[in-house]
Amino acid sequence: GAVVSQHPSRVICKSGTSVKIECRSLDFQATTMFWYRQFPKQSLMLMATSNEGSKATYEQGVEKDKFLINHASLTLSTLTVTSAHPEDSSFYICSADSPEAFFGQGTRLTVV
Amino acid sequence: QKEVEQNSGPLSVPEGAIASLNCTYSDRVSQSFFWYRQYSGKSPELIMSIYSNGDKEDGRFTAQLNKASQYVSLLIRDSQPSDSATYLCAVTDNYGQNFVFGPGTRLSVLP
Repeated sequence: GAVVSQHPSRVICKSGTSVKIECRSLDFQATTMFWYRQFPKQSLMLMATSNEGSKATYEQGVEKDKFLINHASLTLSTLTVTSAHPEDSSFYICSADSPEAFFGQGTRLTVV
Repeated sequence: QKEVEQNSGPLSVPEGAIASLNCTYSDRVSQSFFWYRQYSGKSPELIMSIYSNGDKEDGRFTAQLNKASQYVSLLIRDSQPSDSATYLCAVTDNYGQNFVFGPGTRLSVLP
């Protein structure tokens, strides 16, 4: 199946700093990528849909100025958590468009 | 607002038994249905996809879809302790976008 690579797998940052998470499609071109957030013992919550060459579409309640998404090429989308706070600590997962959603490995973000 | 519902569990079954996981969805235009397995701390991995009414078998897994009842299920035969995980049901529209995930059912297979 399609391979989606996400990096880093874990990151710890200080409150107020920014963190960038990368999501790459390794063996196919992804016009659309999806970013999810998952809190402990909860399901995946879609944050935004990343479209190559255009602005991302954010779900209701997700701050677009805080969660910056860039999809500059057909194989790479990035999510930058700006001015991170402890409540942003979560598991962030990307997936790429295809008939099935193939997920990256996820990034465990801890803001201290 | 699309909704996908699952029993949160935990569902406990003995090793070797059949585990039955259920999922209902609210959007009648949903066309594609997926089951994902998620181990703690890991991202989901696709187990099965099903697009038409009826049963679809793959090894020990069988997905069942009933669009009239807006119901999709996953059966796991000969359950193994390694099957212990959270199982997520997901539905999407005909264009393969707008994935909506259920809350997941936690399965525990007891040795």
